[in-house]
Parts: sequence; C-alpha cells; structure tokens
Amino acid sequence: DSGVTQTPKHLITATGQRVTLRCSPRSGDLSVYWYQQSLDQGLQFLIQYYNGEERAKGNILERFSAQQFPDLHSELNLSSLELGDSALYFCASSPTWGSTGNTIYFGEGSWLTVV
Amino acid sequence: GIQVEQSPPDLILQEGANSTLRCNFSDSVNNLQWFHQNPWGQLINLFYIPSGTKQNGRLSATTVATERYSLLYISSSQTTDSGVYFCAVRADRGSTLGRLYFGRGTQLTVWP
Repeated sequence: DSGVTQTPKHLITATGQRVTLRCSPRSGDLSVYWYQQSLDQGLQFLIQYYNGEERAKGNILERFSAQQFPDLHSELNLSSLELGDSALYFCASSPTWGSTGNTIYFGEGSWLTVV
Repeated sequence: GIQVEQSPPDLILQEGANSTLRCNFSDSVNNLQWFHQNPWGQLINLFYIPSGTKQNGRLSATTVATERYSLLYISSSQTTDSGVYFCAVRADRGSTLGRLYFGRGTQLTVWP
C-alpha cells in the first residue's frame, strides 16, 4: 500500500459526459501529480500541484482541469469525454516538488472507460 | 524534456533465469525510480536510486549517473515477476523540475 488513495477504482461513462477523479496523497506529502496511461501513449504527465498551487503542466487537454484543496486532496475533472480518453489515470504524491531524496509514490489508479 | 529509453522492450524467460533491464536517460537527474506494473495495473515502487547500487531480495539496481544509465537485475525469475518494468527520472533543474519522465517500459513474461 503506497498510502496514496484514488477513487473511484473503475468508472464507465458515455461520450460527452463529465467525471471527477479524486486523490488523497500520502500523509505529509504536499505535492500531487496526475498521470494518464493509455495503450498507445504510455505514461503521460498531466499536471502537478504543490501545496494548493499549480507547479507544472504537461500534456493536459483543455477539457481536463485539476485542483488541489486546502486539505491537500486533489481532483481531476474530465469533461466532454471522448472514446480516446479511456485510460488508467494515476495520482502520485511526494513531500516536496523538486528536491532530491524524495520518492514519488503512485496510487492504484482509476480505470476510466468511455463508451 | 528528458528522454528515457528502456531496453529490451520485451523479454521472455523461463522460471529461474536471470535478466538485466536497462534504462538510458538524456540529462542529469536527481531522482530515478524503477517500478513494476502488475497485471492489475498497479505501479509498485521497486527502487529509488538516483545513483549507486541497492538490493532488495532477488532484485537489485545500479545507477551510474555520470554515464546516464541504470540497470535493474532480476535473479531467479518467478512467474509473479511478470509485468511491465518502468524506469522514471526527474530533472534536477529547469522548468520541468519535479515531474517524472517515464520510459516505455520492458514487458517481462516469465513462464513456469
């Protein structure tokens, strides 16, 4: 158990819909990362938050948004869903955002299927 | 961003065999992690190893940061070792500081 909790574990929804994925980081970790894993694109970095502020943005679509709340949990919102958004979405956390010595731990992922 | 290349892309072994997985990266890093993704999709941390050598049971890893590569050794393979092994690195400077860059992984299949 990595200590990073993601919900839901599985989600099936229709095209055009909106879903929210939730992540609770490890106790004491201030930084949260979101990754998307699809068969053809591998593990892609989406976005990173540190103590409530956005720190880095990767290949995140405009239809997707995220935030980190004062209690440090984070949500990834996916809207106007398309078939190609079907993927495994990971949340990860670490104590800081860039310094050495910090292992980044991943949650179990949320499987999203868009039909 | 940093380029991460893993080899081989696929590896098929008989139970009991040893194997070496390689990860090359294109820039200096302050974090290198090896992960095992099991058939259920979970990413399991194996090693945090930005430099040096570590061992954990039948697995060991070595990173030579100055030459920008890391090796993961699996000895006496078991069927439960099957899955995808990922190497991921983090830059030690620049605008991409903080995020992990992943390789494409090595798909390991161990037959009984």
